[in-house]
Amino acid sequence: NAGVTQTPKFRVLKTGQSMTLLCAQDMNHEYMYWYRQDPGMGLRLIHYSVGEGTTAKGEVPDGYNVSRLKKQNFLLGLESAAPSQTSVYFCASRSTPEAFFGQGTRLTVV
Amino acid sequence: AQKITQTQPGMFVQEKEAVTLDCTYDTSDQSYGLFWYKQPSSGEMIFLIYQGSYDEQNATEGRYSLNFQKARKSANLVISASQLGDSAMYFCAMRLGAQKLVFGQGTRLTINP
Repeated sequence: NAGVTQTPKFRVLKTGQSMTLLCAQDMNHEYMYWYRQDPGMGLRLIHYSVGEGTTAKGEVPDGYNVSRLKKQNFLLGLESAAPSQTSVYFCASRSTPEAFFGQGTRLTVV
Repeated sequence: AQKITQTQPGMFVQEKEAVTLDCTYDTSDQSYGLFWYKQPSSGEMIFLIYQGSYDEQNATEGRYSLNFQKARKSANLVISASQLGDSAMYFCAMRLGAQKLVFGQGTRLTINP
């Protein structure tokens, strides 16, 4: 049982480059979330989805886009990476009540 | 505003003592849920305990209990008989309605031998 898998685990980007982070879950959960974690800031919600084909903005959505074309996958895109987007990104999926997290993606933008 | 606040950036406790980590929340929703997660230095997020807004009894899971005071809008985590392995970041989180899940800033707990 893989749970929640994030790809990649590490990435270094140059300013202005684009990339997509993939989150895959095998638990048939409806709800999926993308967070970023910065020192002293806790986890801040970027975007979330309440089901296939739906997405919604969280607390810090600017500079990110998401898609949920398949129930099991939730993609986070950075169209033009900025150094302020250097962070650890976590994906989570939830049934009721617990949320399960991926292992995180450490992204550095130089 | 709907938010979670953890006012203790860091806590230091002697091994075997009990520890209380504070969490207050703000929401106008009637239906919500409160969670605590542990994040050790390895980085993974570990679910500890959950309390629903309509639950009348405080949630307990082994050495963890959630002190839920609805009128005060607080959901403190109590760890009894702390162990060295409890040293970690602890996050309080709130589920709003059925959908959104937001987190507090976290408390770094250090257990001293």
